[in-house]
Amino acid sequence: DAGVIQSPRHEVTEMGQEVTLRCKPISGHDYLFWYRQTMMRGLELLIYFNNNVPIDDSGMPEDRFSAKMPNASFSTLKIQPSEPRDSAVYFCASSLQARSTDTQYFGPGTRLTVL
Amino acid sequence: GDSVTQMEGPVTLSEEAFLTINCTYTATGYPSLFWYVQYPGEGLQLLLKATKADDKGSNKGFEATYRKETTSFHLEKGSVQVSDSAVYFCALDMNTGFQKLVFGTGTRLLVSP
Repeated sequence: DAGVIQSPRHEVTEMGQEVTLRCKPISGHDYLFWYRQTMMRGLELLIYFNNNVPIDDSGMPEDRFSAKMPNASFSTLKIQPSEPRDSAVYFCASSLQARSTDTQYFGPGTRLTVL
Repeated sequence: GDSVTQMEGPVTLSEEAFLTINCTYTATGYPSLFWYVQYPGEGLQLLLKATKADDKGSNKGFEATYRKETTSFHLEKGSVQVSDSAVYFCALDMNTGFQKLVFGTGTRLLVSP
């Protein structure tokens, strides 16, 4: 299995532009998670999906952020408009189930820089 | 709220030295506890976990014991290698049904030959 795939690996954009991050979870995994990692706040859960349905989006920072999962093999995290404080590494993770005994598998991350 | 506190890094060791990375947690109930490792340029990988008090998680020579009395889950390894250089994250989940990991800030380990 190729693992969790994220694209792009690096994104540099200017303030005000729309940014779309993409994720392909491991096949057969029912849960998909989006995280943001910054020096100031560490690793934070933004949102997670179960069977393509958003379950908990309480970590999404504001309305500029949106996430979708149109099918079991693809999810997007969109920021519109982007701001310099959105600069971070964004990770996608997936798991078979979401019990405490289950393992989340992380993608390599997308490093976003907003100028 | 529930939280995890880790020792600040970087932790700098010579190869074959003994490693301890401290982790303590604050939680209203009895969480499951995890250690994840992040190698340069990669995503996080589960290293080990423990789901109840006194459990010991182990993997790749690393160990951690769930201590309820001290609310701790310290990571140890008897003899580190250069390849262990990475960032280590302690995390908890409150066993509420859906796994929602709460991560510590991470501790960078640098091992020199």
